[in-house]
Amino acid sequence: AQSVTQLDSHVSVSEGTPVLLRCNYSSSYSPSLFWYVQHPNKGLQLLLKYTSAATLVKGINGFEAEFKKSETSFHLTKPSAHMSDAAEYFCVVSDLHGGSQGNLIFGKGTKLSVKP
Amino acid sequence: DTEVTQTPKHLVMGMTNKKSLKCEQHMGHRAMYWYKQKAKKPPELMFVYSYEKLSINESVPSRFSPECPNSSLLNLHLHALQPEDSALYLCASSQNHGPNSPLHFGNGTRLTVT
Repeated sequence: AQSVTQLDSHVSVSEGTPVLLRCNYSSSYSPSLFWYVQHPNKGLQLLLKYTSAATLVKGINGFEAEFKKSETSFHLTKPSAHMSDAAEYFCVVSDLHGGSQGNLIFGKGTKLSVKP
Repeated sequence: DTEVTQTPKHLVMGMTNKKSLKCEQHMGHRAMYWYKQKAKKPPELMFVYSYEKLSINESVPSRFSPECPNSSLLNLHLHALQPEDSALYLCASSQNHGPNSPLHFGNGTRLTVT
């Protein structure tokens, strides 16, 4: 069965410094992987997705993620944090089993804080 | 602003009330979803509609009753809720219910049960 682990519950960076949010997955298949962002009192917004094409995926707002099969990782990065990046980030794998096919399995989330 | 619209934004209801949450999308998506999200937790899947038919019910109590009147609309009827049902209820849609089809979420309805 698929699973996803976000290695940090909280990450704090200074504005203008790089962001790294870590995610590891477990899957018997070639997975589909996503990063979503949730700002306070809002729904989730898709940042980027990996669906077995290029391993380096570029998303919105300057974020990107690299799919590394050998490390079973899909870490999210951004070269320079902005105050507006402060939010909750979810790493998500798409379940491929039976009746649940296409259901999303969410990590527990990483809260990103950005200091001025 | 999102392309999935949820109403109302906030709802307070007593345990004996009946209310409905509404969701609408005009992206031509054929799969629609209800999720429940408690504070500081990831969303939990409740129901999936695919081509207007209920395809997944994740063992949700019968006090939650979904309805998909057409391909653009999704409702969640609420009756005799408990205080522990207080949460953010998120609607989402996708092109189809498949592993490569990302979800588009609404901003949710914040439900408080008193």
